[in-house]
Amino acid sequence: ETGVTQTPRHLVMGMTNKKSLKCEQHLGHNAMYWYKQSAKKPLELMFVYNFKEQTENNSVPSRFSPECPNSSHLFLHLHTLQPEDSALYLCASSQGAAGPVYRGYTFGSGTRLTVV
Amino acid sequence: SQQGEEDPQALSIQEGENATMNCSYKTSINNLQWYRQNSGRGLVHLILIRSNEREKHSGRLRVTLDTSKKSSSLLITASRAADTASYFCATDAGNQGGKLIFGQGTELSVKP
Repeated sequence: ETGVTQTPRHLVMGMTNKKSLKCEQHLGHNAMYWYKQSAKKPLELMFVYNFKEQTENNSVPSRFSPECPNSSHLFLHLHTLQPEDSALYLCASSQGAAGPVYRGYTFGSGTRLTVV
Repeated sequence: SQQGEEDPQALSIQEGENATMNCSYKTSINNLQWYRQNSGRGLVHLILIRSNEREKHSGRLRVTLDTSKKSSSLLITASRAADTASYFCATDAGNQGGKLIFGQGTELSVKP
């Protein structure tokens, strides 16, 4: 257990479904991130939140909709996905981005998403 | 755009040997980090080296950073079968709210 919890661990959804991924951290971190990891590709940054404000949207399609109600929780709402969206979705958090207390990311275990 | 590129893409060694992985990047950085990922799971932070540091140690890990060549290396000494994993370097430009850009990773296999 890293301190960052992602649920569910596995998700299979149809292209017309709506589902949500959840990420929770109780490390007191003020930044949270969504990354997508597809086979044979580097991790792709999707969204960045600092103090629950979105500071980065890396040209992510609108079928992915993030929500950050507070600094401890991050959601990724999914709708009308495509089979190529099947991937491992990773949530991470950090404290004091690039400052003296910064120690890098703490990742969750990820949600393995399969779109059928 | 991809920032870090690891070399080699795959590395297979015997237990007890040393493993060296390299990372090159393109733009100025505030710090560079190395992460490990066991199959299909989240990444684990290993070590962070800041742009004004040249070498850092943590247990069996040794990281070097050469900002003039925009490159870093990760050395794992006396490798164990449990070190089998993918290793990623990640760069932080320092002005982008903590955003990390990851390389494609090196798959390390340590045979008992």
